[in-house]
Amino acid sequence: GQQLNQSPQSMFIQEGEDVSMNCTSSSIFNTWLWYKQDPGEGPVLLIALYKAGELTSNGRLTAQFGITRKDSFLNISASIPSDVGIYFCAGQKDSNYQLIWGAGTKLIIKP
Amino acid sequence: GAVVSQHPSWVICKSGTSVKIECRSLDFQATTMFWYRQFPKQSLMLMATSNEGSKATYEQGVEKDKFLINHASLTLSTLTVTSAHPEDSSFYICSAPARDRGSYEQYFGPGTRLTVT
Repeated sequence: GQQLNQSPQSMFIQEGEDVSMNCTSSSIFNTWLWYKQDPGEGPVLLIALYKAGELTSNGRLTAQFGITRKDSFLNISASIPSDVGIYFCAGQKDSNYQLIWGAGTKLIIKP
Repeated sequence: GAVVSQHPSWVICKSGTSVKIECRSLDFQATTMFWYRQFPKQSLMLMATSNEGSKATYEQGVEKDKFLINHASLTLSTLTVTSAHPEDSSFYICSAPARDRGSYEQYFGPGTRLTVT
């Protein structure tokens, strides 16, 4: 099925560094969502975006809904060990709630 | 945020048997729930949309007679994997939309790890 283009696929960073990942699509979405999934767990919602151009923060996380409605990015500032995991973007087009998913970005913190 | 639970969290079954997985919305009602499966190192793949009081809608390639879905109440949907085979081993996750901060957002259960031997 359709999938969003999420990059990078993985990131190896030092603790304390900032992280940036993004998702793009060829079609327009009405909602963009960012989730984090830890091994053996379900995805946990981090940030939800509803308007084009919207910039929303959740602690050290900041996400933006692209002005064209075809992309979104997620930034994590001053990364800490518990930030390790897989981050997924998801787009929602209409009110049937069905989500289109990115392939995920695996965040690894170098010891 | 809203809470979605799943039971069991993991199950091991023999090939040919059936397994039922429950998905519950704990503090809200969900007329719609979604079932996903996820293979290692991959993204979530939508299997079907569960609708309270009516038939589920299955994604292309998902066998409805193999993956039976029942959404009997506003807080419970069940997925039954019938005649399970080793290739059905996967991580099954459900989700439900809940109104939070004025808009609907999808909340996920913790997942069920199915291993078919």
